[in-house]
Amino acid sequence: QVQLEESGPGLMQPSETLSLTCTVSGFSLTSNGVGWVRQPLGKGLVWMGTIWAGGSINYNSAVQSRLSISRDTSKSQVFLKMNSLQPEDTGTYYCARSTRGNGIFDYWGQGVMVTVSS
Amino acid sequence: AIVLNQSPSSIIASQGEKVTITCRASSSISSNYLHWYQQKPGAFPKLVIYSTSYRASGVPSRFSGSGSGTSYSFTISRVEAEDVATYYCQQGSSNPFTFGSGTKLEIK
Repeated sequence: QVQLEESGPGLMQPSETLSLTCTVSGFSLTSNGVGWVRQPLGKGLVWMGTIWAGGSINYNSAVQSRLSISRDTSKSQVFLKMNSLQPEDTGTYYCARSTRGNGIFDYWGQGVMVTVSS
Repeated sequence: AIVLNQSPSSIIASQGEKVTITCRASSSISSNYLHWYQQKPGAFPKLVIYSTSYRASGVPSRFSGSGSGTSYSFTISRVEAEDVATYYCQQGSSNPFTFGSGTKLEIK
């Protein structure tokens, strides 16, 4: 069955670089895209970016200057790196499978909580 | 960016009641690109309705969606206790993909 699992550090300091990994199973990264969605505590969902099956990447311009998404198809892993962290980057980070045809996020990981605090 | 204005922000309903959530887009969207998610407390979002009106796998028939252009709606025909959640609309039509601000459903 389709599964996604995020992993990464829970606590970060301001100005540090966040590195998260999304490990997928039950589908191929060369057949489906994977997106990252952030949810500040108690707030709504914000799309950050998606790496598509062909390897192209779309970023949300609001975070594009700080964000990098990549993948290792041999390991079925997608990576998120975001630099210059600030306390407002605190929240739960989800990876989700996405289809390019209509931008659906049809399967989601459990999410990883990231706190940015000194 | 396409802004999705979702209303109401919260609903308190009785079991068995019909509830409807509206999602209005700042620009016209093809119905193929408007989707709805359910996020139960403490859980990850789950796809409920895709492409305006298609139920995702395993979603009960009491959930439905409709709309076109800039106006979309999501309906639960008879609310059950297990439907307590926040519901979000989302557009996958143009970059950046955006979500509505959410509608929190509670049961009386």
